[in-house]
Amino acid sequence: DTGVSQDPRHKITKRGQNVTFRCDPISEHNRLYWYRQTLGQGPEFLTYFQNEAQLEKSRLLSDRFSAERPKGSFSTLEIQRTEQGDSAMYLCASSPLDTQYFGPGTRLTVL
Amino acid sequence: QQQVKQSPQSLIVQKGGISIINCAYENTAFDYFPWYQQFPGKGPALLIAIRPDVSEKKEGRFTISFNKSAKQFSLHIMDSQPGDSATYFCAALKAAGNKLTFGGGTRVLVKP
Repeated sequence: DTGVSQDPRHKITKRGQNVTFRCDPISEHNRLYWYRQTLGQGPEFLTYFQNEAQLEKSRLLSDRFSAERPKGSFSTLEIQRTEQGDSAMYLCASSPLDTQYFGPGTRLTVL
Repeated sequence: QQQVKQSPQSLIVQKGGISIINCAYENTAFDYFPWYQQFPGKGPALLIAIRPDVSEKKEGRFTISFNKSAKQFSLHIMDSQPGDSATYFCAALKAAGNKLTFGGGTRVLVKP
């Protein structure tokens, strides 16, 4: 499968714990995006990488959130000290230019 | 501020009918407009996309109509099938921009 992959697909954690998600983009895509989607809503932009450089961060990305793309390939999104309001689907997308292709998402549940 | 407004929130259509979903945008800097289909528990899948220099684009049973002066665009699903039952999102991207701005979504149910 040459699409965008995300791991894990589901994560259940207790409030206050740290979690990390991984995204593997389509191999030739230099742009990588993270979005968050809550139930019944459209995805909301979190952050964007071009190669290894993080070029834009949303105001939604509080200081508890950090994202990296160390070698310009896969990316990780870490949430520290999780809160119940962090429960959502975290989506990763990659693109060569304008068209963004999404992965299956990681469903986070914070108890 | 909701930059892309989508309607209706939900619609029910009979098998073989036409599903029509509308979106309106505010920012004239948007220049790329994709539509995504999403099934429960899955990521959004690109259906079809259009740029403002064309008024219509058709791919199979899916057609986008675009009205630049009205800042509106719509998705038509012809000959709707039960397998089309999903949530559809319109989106917009600014020229040389980095993020998609999504509409609120339309849940479509196609009855057999």
